[in-house]
Amino acid sequence: ETGVTQSPTHLIKTRGQQVTLRCSSQSGHNTVSWYQQALGQGPQFIFQYYREEENGRGNFPPRFSGLQFPNYSSELNVNALELDDSALYLCASSLRRTSGVPYNEQFFGPGTRLTVL
Amino acid sequence: AQKITQTQPGMFVQEKEAVTLDCTYDTSDQSYGLFWYKQPSSGEMIFLIYQGSYDEQNATEGRYSLNFQKARKSANLVISASQLGDSAMYFCAMSRATGTASKLTFGTGTRLQVTL
Repeated sequence: ETGVTQSPTHLIKTRGQQVTLRCSSQSGHNTVSWYQQALGQGPQFIFQYYREEENGRGNFPPRFSGLQFPNYSSELNVNALELDDSALYLCASSLRRTSGVPYNEQFFGPGTRLTVL
Repeated sequence: AQKITQTQPGMFVQEKEAVTLDCTYDTSDQSYGLFWYKQPSSGEMIFLIYQGSYDEQNATEGRYSLNFQKARKSANLVISASQLGDSAMYFCAMSRATGTASKLTFGTGTRLQVTL
């Protein structure tokens, strides 16, 4: 296990509703990234939070928003849900360092499976 | 922009045999990283192996090795001595160099089925 937890595990919503997904990062990690994985596809980057600020965003509309808290946990909020928002939402935490390591390994949580009816 | 292409939707391999999963990539960056992840049916992405663009030697991690051919822009994963527990989706991914927003760009994945 990676130490990254997500809640809830599964969620069913209807079109137009709003949803909040939660992620607790691995201890000591300061960066959280969110990904959307539609059925049969690879994960798509939504955005990343570093030290409580958005630090990079993928091609997702503004109704996808997020927060990172002082303890580095994070929320993903989606407003005005659409049928195409049905997907597995993955959270990944990492310790962002600018030197000394070749890459910032991201540790993924088990995901939240969102179904929009 | 970075792009990953995995052309094998599904692969079968017999237990104890070796298998190669293909991955090609496209980027204009000089410095980048290449990753392979395993995703079992539970959904969690499990990191397998990393290769940096300036690494001269192919990466190895236990039964996993990455066949990196920079000129061809390919980063194939080789799994030796396949086990039943290797049955899963496998994703190739890349990122820009350390120090920038290290988002991962994923391919569409290859479903590997290990048979007896």
